Amino acid sequence: ETGVTQSPTHLIKTRGQQVTLRCSSQSGHNTVSWYQQALGQGPQFIFQYYREEENGRGNFPPRFSGLQFPNYSSELNVNALELDDSALYLCASSLDAGNEQFFGPGTRLTVL
Amino acid sequence: AQSVSQHNHHVILSEAASLELGCNYSYGGTVNLFWYVQYPGQHLQLLLKYFSGDPLVKGIKGFEAEFIKSKFSFNLRKPSVQWSDTAEYFCAVNAGAGTYKYIFGTGTRLKVLA
Repeated sequence: ETGVTQSPTHLIKTRGQQVTLRCSSQSGHNTVSWYQQALGQGPQFIFQYYREEENGRGNFPPRFSGLQFPNYSSELNVNALELDDSALYLCASSLDAGNEQFFGPGTRLTVL
Repeated sequence: AQSVSQHNHHVILSEAASLELGCNYSYGGTVNLFWYVQYPGQHLQLLLKYFSGDPLVKGIKGFEAEFIKSKFSFNLRKPSVQWSDTAEYFCAVNAGAGTYKYIFGTGTRLKVLA
């Protein structure tokens, strides 16, 4: 059984640029959630995708967007990067919403 | 709005000491409750979960947690900690089956001295 994987591991961007982060869900899981974890904080929910549809969203602006593909892998896109977007971005997959989530190792994004 | 409070931000214990980490949440309805752990250099992993039934749940590595509905609490306990329990612990709440949104606490950093 393959766990949740994320790419890239680290990324450095400048303010105003756009970034795409990728996540492969655990085998058999149909739900992917994305979180932002700033230093010293707990993960903050960005949004969730269930069977290729956005299933819910946290308090993040529209420049945070996502996709889920037929194989249930997912992308997180962030446009017009700001310095405060620097954080660890976590992807978690589960079998249906509300169930136990399995986390990937995260992508560390630094915005200069 | 839903929230999760973890009152202990940093805890330092000696090996064999007992551990209790507090977690309180604010939500009046049915909840699913989780404790996740993040060991140094590793990603978040599930320690234990409560969905329904016996309010005392047992997880991996000798951890347990008790759900007290009247107190909106889900405290994590371990009778005797080991140096390898050094990690950051997160409490999380999901407002019932089929609900998408998870709320995490800010985490508790536990350091166990050998």
